[in-house]
Amino acid sequence: GAVVSQHPSRVICKSGTSVKIECRSLDFQATTMFWYRQFPKQSLMLMATSNEGSKATYEQGVEKDKFLINHASLTLSTLTVTSAHPEDSSFYICSARDGRPQYFGPGTRLLVL
Amino acid sequence: QKEVEQDPGPLSVPEGAIVSLNCTYSNSAFQYFMWYRQYSRKGPELLMYTYSSGNKEDGRFTAQVDKSSKYISLFIRDSQPSDSATYLCAMSGNTGGFKTIFGAGTRLFVKA
Repeated sequence: GAVVSQHPSRVICKSGTSVKIECRSLDFQATTMFWYRQFPKQSLMLMATSNEGSKATYEQGVEKDKFLINHASLTLSTLTVTSAHPEDSSFYICSARDGRPQYFGPGTRLLVL
Repeated sequence: QKEVEQDPGPLSVPEGAIVSLNCTYSNSAFQYFMWYRQYSRKGPELLMYTYSSGNKEDGRFTAQVDKSSKYISLFIRDSQPSDSATYLCAMSGNTGGFKTIFGAGTRLFVKA
């Protein structure tokens, strides 16, 4: 199957700082990438969808100025959490596809102190 | 009514049992059906991917799609403790740019 990587797998930061999470499709070119957020024992919550070279489309209620998404190439997307606060602590998972099924990365656990 | 309904469980079975996981959906435009497995603190892993109606088998896993009833199933034979995870159904079709809609996930526990 297709492989999607994420880096870092875990990050701890101080309140007010910005954190960047990278998502890469390793063996395919992802025309579309997705960013999800997941709280413990809850389902995936789609934050935004991005196509290479285009601005991301954010889901309702997701602050685009807080969660900056850059889909710079067909294999790389980044999510930057700006001025992070403790309530941003969560599990962030990226996903990518070049056709119908989406493939997911391993996730990044963010803890904001 | 949600587009995709999935019982969150938890579902607890003894080792070796046959597990049946199900989802119902309301959008008849869905044509592509997926099952993902998610272990705790990991990203979902694609298990099965099917198009339209019918069955697909892969090892101990069988996916079934009944488009007439808008009902999909995942069967796990000879279940193992390592199958303990959350299973998410997902589907997409020629609507909304083939946006994938996920079920809430069913938590499965297989007891040794």
